[in-house]
Amino acid sequence: DAKTTQPPSMDCAEGRAANLPCNHSTISGNEYVYWYRQIHSQGPQYIIHGLKNNETNEMASLIITEDRKSSTLILPHATLRDTAVYYCIVYSYNFNKFYFGSGTKLNVKP
Amino acid sequence: EAQVTQNPRYLITVTGKKLTVTCSQNMNHEYMSWYRQDPGLGLRQIYYSMNVEVTDKGDVPEGYKVSRKEKRNFPLILESPSPNQTSLYFCASSVLAGDNEQFFGPGTRLTVL
Repeated sequence: DAKTTQPPSMDCAEGRAANLPCNHSTISGNEYVYWYRQIHSQGPQYIIHGLKNNETNEMASLIITEDRKSSTLILPHATLRDTAVYYCIVYSYNFNKFYFGSGTKLNVKP
Repeated sequence: EAQVTQNPRYLITVTGKKLTVTCSQNMNHEYMSWYRQDPGLGLRQIYYSMNVEVTDKGDVPEGYKVSRKEKRNFPLILESPSPNQTSLYFCASSVLAGDNEQFFGPGTRLTVL
C-alpha cells in the first residue's frame, strides 16, 4: 500500500508560489516526511524534510498539519527551472526504509 | 567533488546473463541504498545497507543481490536477469539512515531482452 498520495500534475505561473500537497494518513509517530525532486531522469535531489514542525530552507518550506496526516511543500517563487517531478516520501525508522509516492509533475509556465 | 557514481550508465543484456552494477560514494557515508524506477510506480527500494557488512531487503528485493565489503562500494548483482528487471536504477547514500539527505547517483538504464 502506498504510504503517500500526491496529485499527478500541477501547473504554476513563473514567479508565483507553488504549493504541492501530499497525503500520508497512515504515517506513524516516528516517521519523517521527505521531499525530493527529479528533473527528467536524473537522480532525485533532496529538498527538505520534517517530523512534526514546519521547516524552511533556502529552497522551500514544508508545512505539516498538526495531525501529521498531510503536508504541503511550498516553493515561494517558482522558476522555469523548478519544472520537475516532486516526490513526497515517508521514512520509517522502524524498517529503515524510504517509501516514495508516485510524484507530482510540476509545470512552471512563463 | 562529493558524488555517487554508478557504472555502467546504460546496459542492454539478455535473459540469464549475470551482471553487476557498481555504485561508489566518496563521502564516507554509512547508509547506502538501491532503487528501481518504473513508469507510474515512482522509486522502489531494492536493498539498503546501514554499514559495512550490514545489508537488508527493501520492498522489491527478488532477483537481486548486494554486498557491502567496504564503506564506499555497494554493488547490485543480478544473477539471472529477466525482462521484468528492465528499469532505471539509482544508487543513493547518506551519512546515516533516516534523518539525513540522501545523495543519488546519475542512474543506470538497464534493458533485459
